[in-house]
Parts: sequence; structure tokens; C-alpha cells
Amino acid sequence: NAGVTQTPKFQVLKTGQSMTLQCAQDMNHEYMSWYRQDPGMGLRLIHYSVGAGITDQGEVPNGYNVSRSTTEDFPLRLLSAAPSQTSVYFCASSYSGPWNTEAFFGQGTRLTVV
Amino acid sequence: KNEVEQSPQNLTAQEGEFITINCSYSVGISALHWLQQHPGGGIVSLFMLSSGKKKHGRLIATINIQEKHSSLHITASHPRDSAVYICAVRRAGNQFYFGTGTSLTVIP
Repeated sequence: NAGVTQTPKFQVLKTGQSMTLQCAQDMNHEYMSWYRQDPGMGLRLIHYSVGAGITDQGEVPNGYNVSRSTTEDFPLRLLSAAPSQTSVYFCASSYSGPWNTEAFFGQGTRLTVV
Repeated sequence: KNEVEQSPQNLTAQEGEFITINCSYSVGISALHWLQQHPGGGIVSLFMLSSGKKKHGRLIATINIQEKHSSLHITASHPRDSAVYICAVRRAGNQFYFGTGTSLTVIP
């Protein structure tokens, strides 16, 4: 039982490049979500999903895309990276959501866009 | 104005001290979570509260819904408790608000 696996741990992108942050959980959780964490600010919700095939926008969705084709996987796509997307990204899941039960987090991805 | 305010922002304590971290919020909520973020960056969920009090080992979390306030207490603090503690509140409609965190350093 690996919990929430998030990859990569570190990434440097050039402005305009695209990439996908991977998030997988093996706990059969319905609710999965992506957050960004910036200095001096609380975690902010980017996108979330309440089950396979269902996604919705959070507080800061612009520039990001998600899909949920399986219960286990919830990748976050940066379509055309911008320096403003330099941040630490966290994926989280809970059995029923949002966070109706304990939330489990991935280890985070530190992304730098130059 | 942030919907969730934590205090203090930074806290330094001697090993063994009793520690209190406060969280005040301005919106009606359905649940409140306390999270711990270690220096390496990983985040762990400590408590989920909708009323009353919960205890895990040396950690105690309380919530007063009427006063829109929660506290996280650490008894007999230890250097391994050094981390950032984050308060998060959930509203109806899948809305979340996060505090900016309290950075705790426990000195041996």
C-alpha cells in the first residue's frame, strides 16, 4: 500500500513548455485534488475530482488541465508553462470527498519555470 | 482578508514545553483539518474536526464552532515536532480555505 505517489519530485521547465505531473493512489479513494503552495500563501486548490470521469475547477485553474480516466490516477497538465506557475504542487486524496475523511498527500513537486 | 487566520506565524519553544497554535476562521464550515508539513515538504493530516476535541498521543485538537476557533496543542514538545502546522476549513460546495501555517521550532 503505497498511499499517494506523486512524480516527479523536482522539475525545471522553460517558459512555453508543457508537462504532466503524475498522481496515483492505491487506496480506492473517490476524491482527488491538486494544490499549489506559494510562499506566504496557503495551499490553493487547482482542480479536483469526485470520481472517475468527473473533474471540476478549484480556486486557481487557469493554465492547468486535468483528467480522471481511472480511480487511481489524476494527472495535472501544464499546457504552456509560465514563470507564475513556479510553485510547489501537492496531490491529495480522501476516501470520500472533499476531505470527508482523512486526507492523504503526495510528497510534492517543486516546479521552477524559467 | 484571509478567511483563515493562524497565530502565531512563528513559534520557538524549548523541549518539553506545552505549545498552543490557534486557528480562527470567518466562514461557516462543515469540518476543520489540521495538517503537519515537515521540513522535507511532505504533508500529513493530523486531525479532522467538526466539533469538540480529539487526541492523538501528545497532540490535542479542539474546536469551538460558535466562536469559529480551533486550537492545536502539543504536550511535552520534542524537536521532532518541528514543522509547519496548517489549518484548513471546508465549507459546503467543495470550498476549502487554508491558513498560511505556523512554523514551529522546538529546541533541545
